[in-house]
Amino acid sequence: EIVLTQSPGTLSLSPGERATLSCRASQSVSGSYLAWYQQKPGQAPRLLIYGASSRATGIPDRFSGSGSGTDFTLTISRLEPEDFAVYYCQQYGSSPWTFGQGTKVEIK
Amino acid sequence: QVQLAESGGGLVKPGGSLRLSCAVSGFTFSDYYMSWIRQAPGKGLEWVSYISSTSTYTDYADSVKGRFTISRDNAKNSLYLQMSSLRAEDTAVYYCARGSGSSHHPFLTWGQGTLVTVSS
Repeated sequence: EIVLTQSPGTLSLSPGERATLSCRASQSVSGSYLAWYQQKPGQAPRLLIYGASSRATGIPDRFSGSGSGTDFTLTISRLEPEDFAVYYCQQYGSSPWTFGQGTKVEIK
Repeated sequence: QVQLAESGGGLVKPGGSLRLSCAVSGFTFSDYYMSWIRQAPGKGLEWVSYISSTSTYTDYADSVKGRFTISRDNAKNSLYLQMSSLRAEDTAVYYCARGSGSSHHPFLTWGQGTLVTVSS
């Protein structure tokens, strides 16, 4: 099973700042089958990025994904008030599909 | 627009059974892999199971293998999760999610979830 470790656990930033979230896999993620999701309290998760770097439909271009192999990054170029949430990475290259433990982006 | 609506959650005793349903609309259900994902209260996300578009392929997390069964009815645009031998650690919000036409797929769209509570 591929274990995904996200860092930091919590990121305290102000609106307008840049957020950089990390996701490290215990072994290489085949095909760069790595996704990022955003979840707000009381809501279902929403797909942001798939294939490590492709934005899902309707996702603003301030969200970008990068990386390959075992190291992946989600970058939010300028935080908007609605971006404060929990973010999860997930690999779908090897069964069982697994999620990271999440990074909370909170208002500083 | 794409909509997924889960139902069937509730309170069940340890060792009991429950069947979850997910009704979908807004897309051609029979073209897509579908999955169940769960989230224990205050915890992270855990993939539970997926099923291929024609039910040929299924896969399960080790934590539910042998106890849960995923199925679908393409004529009714519905996905199901039959859960048996339920344990306290199965307590969670269960989400259904749409994949793609490939076995390697992210979860494109999610329902709002249904809460399953396993307690005596």
